[in-house]
Amino acid sequence: GQNIDQPTEMTATEGAIVQINCTYQTSGFNGLFWYQQHAGEAPTFLSYNVLDGLEEKGRFSSFLSRSKGYSYLLLKELQMKDSASYLCAVNSNTGKLIFGQGTTLQVKP
Amino acid sequence: GAVVSQHPSWVICKSGTSVKIECRSLDFQATTMFWYRQFPKQSLMLMATSNEGSKATYEQGVEKDKFLINHASLTLSTLTVTSAHPEDSSFYICSAMAGTGQETQYFGPGTRLLVL
Repeated sequence: GQNIDQPTEMTATEGAIVQINCTYQTSGFNGLFWYQQHAGEAPTFLSYNVLDGLEEKGRFSSFLSRSKGYSYLLLKELQMKDSASYLCAVNSNTGKLIFGQGTTLQVKP
Repeated sequence: GAVVSQHPSWVICKSGTSVKIECRSLDFQATTMFWYRQFPKQSLMLMATSNEGSKATYEQGVEKDKFLINHASLTLSTLTVTSAHPEDSSFYICSAMAGTGQETQYFGPGTRLLVL
């Protein structure tokens, strides 16, 4: 079956670093995406990993281990505007995205 | 680049009417578009995959006669919710992909449907 797990909620302090984990078990794998979604809005693309390792893009980094079925999104120097839901999605071999439930991150002053 | 638009952004309709939602890729040709539905505090659920010039592929449990999808050109896909009922009220989001397989999906801003 297809299963993607993320923590439901996380809280962090402005200026801090937070790591959001994602584990997956899917019948096919063609890359893993992270999206940010603010309440009432559509998801926006953050990162894409298809090979093992760390991809860094400004304050955001994403890591993938295919052998462990594991990824994380790292957010540095947190800002209040980073309060949002973060969606982990696996691209199956058919091109479809399978989404996790999303992690709601609350950044506090 | 990679801008996807949806229209309308909000729609309120009476039960039994049909609603058409448009999804357009503005600066690239989308061979594949996807339609998702998202209920409050839940993740995105794929409804169907739409390929230009061919019939849409629906996910299990999605009624193809109720949710009509047309992908007539490389920049436009439409979703028509026929005979809408209050339980169809949801956030409908489309995404577009330039090729097939690995390419990133870019999401439209979503359409919020409220059926009274």
